[in-house]
Amino acid sequence: EDKVVQSPLSLVVHEGDTVTLNCSYEVTNFRSLLWYKQEKKAPTFLFMLTSSGIEKKSGRLSSILDKKELFSILNITATQTGDSAIYLCAVEDSNYQLIWGAGTKLIIKP
Amino acid sequence: NAGVTQTPKFQVLKTGQSMTLQCAQDMNHEYMSWYRQDPGMGLRLIHYSVGAGITDQGEVPNGYNVSRSTTEDFPLRLLSAAPSQTSVYFCASSYDSFSYNEQFFGPGTRLTVL
Repeated sequence: EDKVVQSPLSLVVHEGDTVTLNCSYEVTNFRSLLWYKQEKKAPTFLFMLTSSGIEKKSGRLSSILDKKELFSILNITATQTGDSAIYLCAVEDSNYQLIWGAGTKLIIKP
Repeated sequence: NAGVTQTPKFQVLKTGQSMTLQCAQDMNHEYMSWYRQDPGMGLRLIHYSVGAGITDQGEVPNGYNVSRSTTEDFPLRLLSAAPSQTSVYFCASSYDSFSYNEQFFGPGTRLTVL
């Protein structure tokens, strides 16, 4: 059965710290891996990764995929209180369906 | 553009009642979907549609019906509400089923079934 596992489930850090969120997957016929940020309401798209070893970057956020070891990481440097959110990982299979992880709840303390 | 809109934002139902969650988008997206989000379980796909007149089941379709009579609207019907359907429901849309990097979510409907 396909599955996506995120770790840790929750994380509390102080403003300015760097955090690394993990997403591992077991999905037959992998097409892509996506990261979303969910604040109080709807998830918003962050990154889509399809190739191993190519870092995607947006400001203080970056992400990379390892298709051999079947995982991705999301890094956030110099965290701010506005980074507090649930970070969701999803893997797209060959049927263009998304399999979602449970999310990592990140809390940034001032 | 309003994006993806959902109504109502909150709803409380009694077991056995029926209701419809509304979802509309004004981006001319072909692909629309409904998810439910429960604590510790991530998002689960209920139903999806690749275009007007075409719908299909997702991972957890039981107890829900959908229709897609227009490109803009994709309502989700609960036939006979059960406490297990207490959840937050999200509607999402994208240009097509290949465009998850451009998928937009609605603000969600928080449903409680007593």
